[in-house]
Amino acid sequence: GIQVEQSPPDLILQEGANSTLRCNFSDSVNNLQWFHQNPWGQLINLFYIPSGTKQNGRLSATTVATERYSLLYISSSQTTDSGVYFCAVRGGSEKLVFGKGTKLTVNP
Amino acid sequence: DGGITQSPKYLFRKEGQNVTLSCEQNLNHDAMYWYRQDPGQGLRLIYYSQIVNDFQKGDIAEGYSVSREKKESFPLTVTSAQKNPTAFYLCASRTGQTNQPQHFGDGTRLSIL
Repeated sequence: GIQVEQSPPDLILQEGANSTLRCNFSDSVNNLQWFHQNPWGQLINLFYIPSGTKQNGRLSATTVATERYSLLYISSSQTTDSGVYFCAVRGGSEKLVFGKGTKLTVNP
Repeated sequence: DGGITQSPKYLFRKEGQNVTLSCEQNLNHDAMYWYRQDPGQGLRLIYYSQIVNDFQKGDIAEGYSVSREKKESFPLTVTSAQKNPTAFYLCASRTGQTNQPQHFGDGTRLSIL
């Protein structure tokens, strides 16, 4: 099945810094989603981005499907950005395969 | 996400007991899913259902059972056969149209007494 690798596993930033999170996947995909899991466990949809580039405020994402990777950019980070960021992909089956996540800590 | 309600938020199970986790959605979504999350890990698929009265096993279905009698409801039963049930359980749904995103409920934390 499809393998999903996220990097880095942990990231510590000072408030105001920018960051890039990476997601590599092993096969072609029909669906790619980025999620933010907050400290209470809620999984928030950030982007549905099987290809191309999207932006939403301070966050943006780019997926290069032909090279099998996606990037999530966080600019001017805030303490509320802390949590775990997951990339999940779906190939030819119904299953959404998750990476292990990047744990982001933003210090004031 | 709005529209998907999981209950209860916290659940405790005694050894040998079956417990049922509720998932209800009012989004008129065709497909529904159950995932398990262990500490420091991503989510793994337990079961999914694409239409009423039909469901398929995911990667870790052993010790779990589901039903889909109504479009809006997809309850998960954690049976006594599941030897390590302590985890965070998340329900998701999506429309049946091709290549649409999944949306998640707020989860249920299950612990063993």
